[in-house]
Amino acid sequence: RKEVEQDPGPFNVPEGATVAFNCTYSNSASQSFFWYRQDCRKEPKLLMSVYSSGNEDGRFTAQLNRASQYISLLIRDSKLSDSATYLCVVNYGQNFVFGPGTRLSVLP
Amino acid sequence: DAGVTQSPTHLIKTRGQQVTLRCSPKSGHDTVSWYQQALGQGPQFIFQYYEEEERQRGNFPDRFSGHQFPNYSSELNVNALLLGDSALYLCASSAPGPGTGELFFGEGSRLTVL
Repeated sequence: RKEVEQDPGPFNVPEGATVAFNCTYSNSASQSFFWYRQDCRKEPKLLMSVYSSGNEDGRFTAQLNRASQYISLLIRDSKLSDSATYLCVVNYGQNFVFGPGTRLSVLP
Repeated sequence: DAGVTQSPTHLIKTRGQQVTLRCSPKSGHDTVSWYQQALGQGPQFIFQYYEEEERQRGNFPDRFSGHQFPNYSSELNVNALLLGDSALYLCASSAPGPGTGELFFGEGSRLTVL
């Protein structure tokens, strides 16, 4: 079983849609959780950290369920510029483990 | 404030050759990690350098080696290149302190092995 697994995608959604991405991790010692965004042929960049209480940043909401070892990302009112690959990242100690990513295409 | 810089941006090698990739971390960062990203995959951790020592290593063969210099810059060396080594090689730096959370990536070095 891979350490971090994500929805295989791709997700093709119309502008204005709400889309949710799921991620599961296998290492119960994981301490920190993140969503990174990677545009085509570019480097990954931090989108947001994920906290147990859930956190929101504008149209983006992240949730963490430690008991189920599950992380989610919700994007509301999606924009064309949201088209990218979304990478779930799990950290323990100095080790950052990336999921395979889920590609999102927002269509006009 | 310069971010993470990598060189070269693109290179083409043939099987059996050796390659060296270079990385300068973001100012103030002392930890450098290297990742391999194959097409359509997430980044895979190769190793991490801190205080000029390899601190952690992923599941990569000994053909992959590295170095960190006193100025925190780093090199990734790959010997005896295989076709399967074709990938984007990403360098990421992070600030001092345990698991601060954000990795800052360079734009990567795209290696093609023919």
